[in-house]
Amino acid sequence: KAGVTQTPRYLIKTRGQQVTLSCSPISGHRSVSWYQQTPGQGLQFLFEYFSETQRNKGNFPGRFSGRQFSNSRSEMNVSTLELGDSALYLCASSLVGAGAGGTDTQYFGPGTRLTVL
Amino acid sequence: SQQGEEDPQALSIQEGENATMNCSYKTSINNLQWYRQNSGRGLVHLILIRSNEREKHSGRLRVTLDTSKKSSSLLITASRAADTASYFCATATFGDKLIFGTGTRLQVFP
Repeated sequence: KAGVTQTPRYLIKTRGQQVTLSCSPISGHRSVSWYQQTPGQGLQFLFEYFSETQRNKGNFPGRFSGRQFSNSRSEMNVSTLELGDSALYLCASSLVGAGAGGTDTQYFGPGTRLTVL
Repeated sequence: SQQGEEDPQALSIQEGENATMNCSYKTSINNLQWYRQNSGRGLVHLILIRSNEREKHSGRLRVTLDTSKKSSSLLITASRAADTASYFCATATFGDKLIFGTGTRLQVFP
């Protein structure tokens, strides 16, 4: 089975721009979660999508949004970029995600490294 | 905010030695998982321990869970240079998101 893929792998943007990141989960996985990783804040949960519905959301401003398509592929969008949005954005897929009560293994993609100048 | 705090933040050992890292969390959990991350890459799942389990083994990995103390430990025996990575604990309650700890950076010198 192919693993989780994320595109693009690297991205450089300037303040005020917007960006869209893409994640293709493992075939058959219906849950996709997004995380932001920075040296200062560590791994922070952004949101989880299951069957095209947002099921959980972290403490991020409304500039961060996402969606999931019928084939389980997911995108996240960050509008009006700020310097502090520079981070590694990780996507993880699992069979059922939060509905499994934490027993579901998450499979991570390689991440998208976003740099905001 | 993060659920888990890991200790130590960084650990350096020689190949062949054992590495122990600890995770403490704040609220009741269903399960606790450990993940490994090689520098700047995605995370890889290592092991899951359920809240009603006290110890679990997988190869050179041994995980313990003490729900009364809200803590877990990960032991890697006979460490290898390839074990050099960051290690994260992650906790979950039913229907809720997986929350990761702050991580321990392990350096194994050949």
